[in-house]
Amino acid sequence: DILMTQSPSSLSASVGDTVTITCRASQSVYSYLNWYQQRPGKAPSLLIYTASNLHDGVPSRFSGSGSGTDFTLTISGLQPEDFAIYYCQQSYSHPRFGQGTRVEFK
Amino acid sequence: QLQLQESGPGLVKPSETLSLTCTVSGGSISGNNYYWGWIRQPPGKGLEWIATIYYRGTTYYNPSLKSRVTISVDTSKDQFSLRLRSVTAADTALYYCARLVDVLGPTHFDQWGQGTQVTVSS
Repeated sequence: DILMTQSPSSLSASVGDTVTITCRASQSVYSYLNWYQQRPGKAPSLLIYTASNLHDGVPSRFSGSGSGTDFTLTISGLQPEDFAIYYCQQSYSHPRFGQGTRVEFK
Repeated sequence: QLQLQESGPGLVKPSETLSLTCTVSGGSISGNNYYWGWIRQPPGKGLEWIATIYYRGTTYYNPSLKSRVTISVDTSKDQFSLRLRSVTAADTALYYCARLVDVLGPTHFDQWGQGTQVTVSS
């Protein structure tokens, strides 16, 4: 079973900041790593798939990188609507999500 | 535009069976490029994948739930369903249905339903 660990669990930031969230897999998932955003009271929505591909309609301030076991999600120029919880998910084997990273307003 | 809508009882008694249905509209469940799945989120916690199905019947289950879960599909109604047996309070969660994109197998969840709350209580 491949475990996914995100860091940090939460962070505080201001509008305009650049934020980086890390996701580490317990074994290689190659590029089978996806990122989701979940706003309060809403279903998750796909941001990035296969490590670095931006889903349709997602703003370009979101970017993903990494391969193997270490991945990052970067938000360049945080906007008010970006304060949310972010999850990584590996799709190399049975889907498994990270525990989430809460991005809070500083 | 594709929409997914979960339906089913919001309250289930302990030891009974939870049954949910996801209705797909604005598209067909029989497309070659997609799988369909269930994910749940206990109150205040993260996301847990439950099961995935292809319209032709291929299924995948979370090993931790496999003994209690059945996922099925009804292509004539563009619906897929979840049954979770012998529920306990630990199964209380917001249950989502979602579409998975097929990239040499199911990969990322690109469309989600709004979720339906299920509480297990007597």
